[in-house]
Amino acid sequence: QSALTQPRSVSGSPGQSVTISCTGTSSDVGDYKYVSWYQQYPGKAPKLMLYDVSKRPSGVPDRFSGSKSDNTASLTISGLQAEDEADYYCCSYAGSYVFGTGTKVTVL
Amino acid sequence: QVQLQESGPGLVKPSQTLSLTCTVSGGSISSGGYYWNWIRQLPGKGLEWIGYIYYSGSTYYNPSLKSRVTISVDTSKSQFSLKLSSVTAADTAVYYCAREDTVMGLGAFDIWGQGTMVTVSS
Repeated sequence: QSALTQPRSVSGSPGQSVTISCTGTSSDVGDYKYVSWYQQYPGKAPKLMLYDVSKRPSGVPDRFSGSKSDNTASLTISGLQAEDEADYYCCSYAGSYVFGTGTKVTVL
Repeated sequence: QVQLQESGPGLVKPSQTLSLTCTVSGGSISSGGYYWNWIRQLPGKGLEWIGYIYYSGSTYYNPSLKSRVTISVDTSKSQFSLKLSSVTAADTAVYYCAREDTVMGLGAFDIWGQGTMVTVSS
């Protein structure tokens, strides 16, 4: 399985919204509702931000939201804050699991 | 609060077997509804799922690594382990253990270890 495709980087000013896309195929993102998103700071372990496309674990701010259309899932961060500057990875079930290529979010 | 901690050698010679252990504390590894996973991150790159084990011993591996991977569990020690055989420099990575909460959904890796760097070099 090939890695899911994410933009290398996205940026926004504080308070703005940014959206990260995660493009797969009809065999992964397009075929299952099991898309999750992870936030990772440098040198740290990933943190679960969304699961089942759009569900937030306890403690994750509602500024983080998710959606899916056909073979592409998306993570939107609304009201961007300085602490949101990190790498973000999507993950899809596909019989096994495949992760995205990762997106660096920069807060200007 | 469940915590995971990886342990094992940080340096492995080419062609040898990489062996890591993940110790689960603050909760039971035998609780139903959780898969216990290994995930790695190549230097400066993305994440790669290696495989998981259920407390009963059932496993599932990444097809691309399946021929070289063995994951086992020792419930008495609250540990699960990874063995990756015939390693090459391409296996140099940070290795994470992670809990998957299947009640949440497949792929919901909700608790991670801090990660351990393994370098393959002679």
